[in-house]
Order: sequence, then C-alpha cells, then structure tokens
Amino acid sequence: DVKVTQSSRYLVKRTGEKVFLECVQDMDHENMFWYRQDPGLGLRLIYFSYDVKMKEKGDIPEGYSVSREKKERFSLILESASTNQTSMYLCASSPPDSGNEQFFGPGTRLTVL
Amino acid sequence: TQLLEQSPQFLSIQEGENLTVYCNSSSVFSSLQWYRQEPGEGPVLLVTVVTGGEVKKLKRLTFQFGDARKDSSLHITAAQPGDTGLYLCAGEDNYGQNFVFGPGTRLSVLP
Repeated sequence: DVKVTQSSRYLVKRTGEKVFLECVQDMDHENMFWYRQDPGLGLRLIYFSYDVKMKEKGDIPEGYSVSREKKERFSLILESASTNQTSMYLCASSPPDSGNEQFFGPGTRLTVL
Repeated sequence: TQLLEQSPQFLSIQEGENLTVYCNSSSVFSSLQWYRQEPGEGPVLLVTVVTGGEVKKLKRLTFQFGDARKDSSLHITAAQPGDTGLYLCAGEDNYGQNFVFGPGTRLSVLP
C-alpha cells in the first residue's frame, strides 16, 4: 500500500514564524501535491511537483513556497506565518498518468496565533 | 476555473437508510473521482469514472457518471455508521489542465 506521511498531525505557531511542513511518500511517485482544506471551500491546490527540483504553482500559492530535493520528499514552507494560514494542510502523491488518483497523507492541522 | 458543486452540504440519516449525493458542474470532465475523508484523516480514493453514463459499484456504493460527463452521483444502500465521513468529488477537465475538488458532502449515519 502507498504510504504518505506528514511530519506533524498538529502544529501551533505564532504570527511571523517560519513554518516547515514535511511530506514523505514511499512508493516512488513522481507527482506530489500540497493542498489546504477549509470548511466549505474543499481542497485548494497550493503547489505541485512532477519531478525532483520541479515545482508548479497551484491555485493559491501566495505566502507559500515548496522544496523537492528528493523524489520522496516534498516540503511546504510558510515564510512568515499569518493567522489566515490557519488550516488543515494535506499532502498527496500520485504516479504518472494516474488520472489524478491521488494518495493522501493524514494532514497537518496548523494553527497560527 | 471550473467549479464542482456538491449537494447536499450536510446529510444526517439513520442506519439502514438509502441516500444519494450529487456532484455537478457546468463543465465537461474527462474523469471524475470520488474520495471519502474520515475525521482527522486524509481523503481516500473510492472510485474513478471516465466514460459518460458509466456505473461502478463498490459493495453498497454505486457511482454514476452523467451522460454528458458534467455530473456524477453516489448512492449508498443501507447506510452504516462506518459510512460516516466527508465525501469529495474531484475532476479533471477535457484538456487535462485543471483538476479541482468539490466542497464535499458531510454524511453522518446514526446507529
């Protein structure tokens, strides 16, 4: 079974802090994604990556950056956390040509005070 | 940007009842996925439909893709408390350029 793990289930940070969210997948998938999930808004794509060192902006990239130095690891960075970035963050991976059949991690619930 | 709408937003039913939830758009999708997300977990893929009019069954769950590939439905027969969760539909447009999630239907099945 594909396993996608995220570094923290819950995280509390203060406004202005730099925040790192880590995601690791163990199935050698090329594609990796970062979403945020807010009530009534569904999942919104922040960034995605189709290969090592590759990154593409999703629908809401402002205030975020990403890093993909190794195939299995995709990191989301909040350079200066703000209260409106309080959310559930979900990482996903998929093999190429999967028809968008994504495998998700358990999520990180981030609270920015 | 295409939108996927889901209805109802919330649904609370008794164990043993049947239910149908809907996923609609004004756009044509090349494929559509249904996911279930349990509290505190990430979404888990249930099914992918790709052909207009396609029907897929997964035990007590029946998924249908509309003939025009603009909508889909999920029917659950004899719902059980284990079916409780957030049901999300997601789709990719015909050009393979946009992939979006709907806001979800939150289902609660009471014992």
